[in-house]
Amino acid sequence: AQTVTQSQPEMSVQEAETVTLSCTYDTSESDYYLFWYKQPPSRQMILVIRQEAYKQQNATENRFSVNFQKAAKSFSLKISDSQLGDAAMYFCALKETSGSRLTFGEGTQLTVNP
Amino acid sequence: ETGVTQTPRHLVMGMTNKKSLKCEQHLGHNAMYWYKQSAKKPLELMFVYNFKEQTENNSVPSRFSPECPNSSHLFLHLHTLQPEDSALYLCASSPSTAGASYEQYFGPGTRLTVT
Repeated sequence: AQTVTQSQPEMSVQEAETVTLSCTYDTSESDYYLFWYKQPPSRQMILVIRQEAYKQQNATENRFSVNFQKAAKSFSLKISDSQLGDAAMYFCALKETSGSRLTFGEGTQLTVNP
Repeated sequence: ETGVTQTPRHLVMGMTNKKSLKCEQHLGHNAMYWYKQSAKKPLELMFVYNFKEQTENNSVPSRFSPECPNSSHLFLHLHTLQPEDSALYLCASSPSTAGASYEQYFGPGTRLTVT
């Protein structure tokens, strides 16, 4: 069974600073996808970034980047130049290519302080 | 309307009521999903539909009954719910359930309160 763990229930960062959110996962398969989703107070879940397990290069989307360590089964999200609009609940998620299930972690509530 | 829409946004119902949640996607996707989000718990997958066929039921109690009349619409029929069923119910869609096209797009959710 696939599992996703986010060990930081809450994090805070000063505006314009950098913050890293942690995520570890477990899967018996070699082919899978990892995602970070953002859920602001409006509740609309939005995809932030995606990583294919077969790609060694870490994904980057503007101020968002990941540190994907396949052997360690670690998938952290780095937010650079944090903005007030980044405040939200962030979920790490895993999807095995062979199945249809997307498994989410417990989430990390990020606060951005002005 | 664009993306994934859900109605109603808020619903309060008694344990003996029957109500339905509606989800509609305007993205041309073939797969749709229902999730339950309770406080301080990970999102729980409830049902998966691919090309209108149910492909996954995550041991959901029968008081929740999904219906997918076509690839654009998904319903969740509710009856004789319990207070512990109070939660945010999220609908999502994706191009398919397999491989690289798996990114899921979420609706804004329905906040359900069972009294």
